[in-house]
Amino acid sequence: GNSVTQMEGPVTLSEEAFLTINCTYTATGYPSLFWYVQYPGEGLQLLLKATKADDKGSNKGFEATYRKETTSFHLEKGSVQVSDSAVYFCALLRWTGNQFYFGTGTSLTVIP
Amino acid sequence: DTGVSQDPRHKITKRGQNVTFRCDPISEHNRLYWYRQTLGQGPEFLTYFQNEAQLEKSRLLSDRFSAERPKGSFSTLEIQRTEQGDSAMYLCASSLDPGLAGGPNEQYFGPGTRLTVT
Repeated sequence: GNSVTQMEGPVTLSEEAFLTINCTYTATGYPSLFWYVQYPGEGLQLLLKATKADDKGSNKGFEATYRKETTSFHLEKGSVQVSDSAVYFCALLRWTGNQFYFGTGTSLTVIP
Repeated sequence: DTGVSQDPRHKITKRGQNVTFRCDPISEHNRLYWYRQTLGQGPEFLTYFQNEAQLEKSRLLSDRFSAERPKGSFSTLEIQRTEQGDSAMYLCASSLDPGLAGGPNEQYFGPGTRLTVT
């Protein structure tokens, strides 16, 4: 089947600290992998994506590499800001593009 | 704003009542999806439409739930005889058909409708 396992939170970091949020997946076929972010009171916004093995997605200083050998898509940022405080969701999209499978989300709080 | 919109944003209802939510997708998107998100969890797929055809339904979509997209544009999700377990955020998303987009592509999410059943 298809599923996503995501590092549990909450995560609290000081500003300018290094961030890693782990994400592993199981999937049939050839999924695409995504990170979405949800700010308080808002809908999900796409942060970055990768559509095939070894692709690296990047946006706003965040990056993640699609590792087929370890079935992982870990999110990293070298220096977090207070404005990065949000819930981060790892997700896979079936190759048919019909539906997302989301992880449970990781809440990040960045303190000044 | 040309994003996905949902109405209402919040709904409080008493157990046993019927509720209906509306989703307006991005106009050029022919795929529309409904998800449910409970507290502390990621969104879970409920159903999706390609144009006006409902092509897949999750087993989460009980007989009390019905979704429509009559003209291939906006969609409605109705819950009949609501139960307290239906309390959740209901998210709508839209995307291009993967066949037209050259493969699986991102879904754009609306802000959600938060349902509270008392």
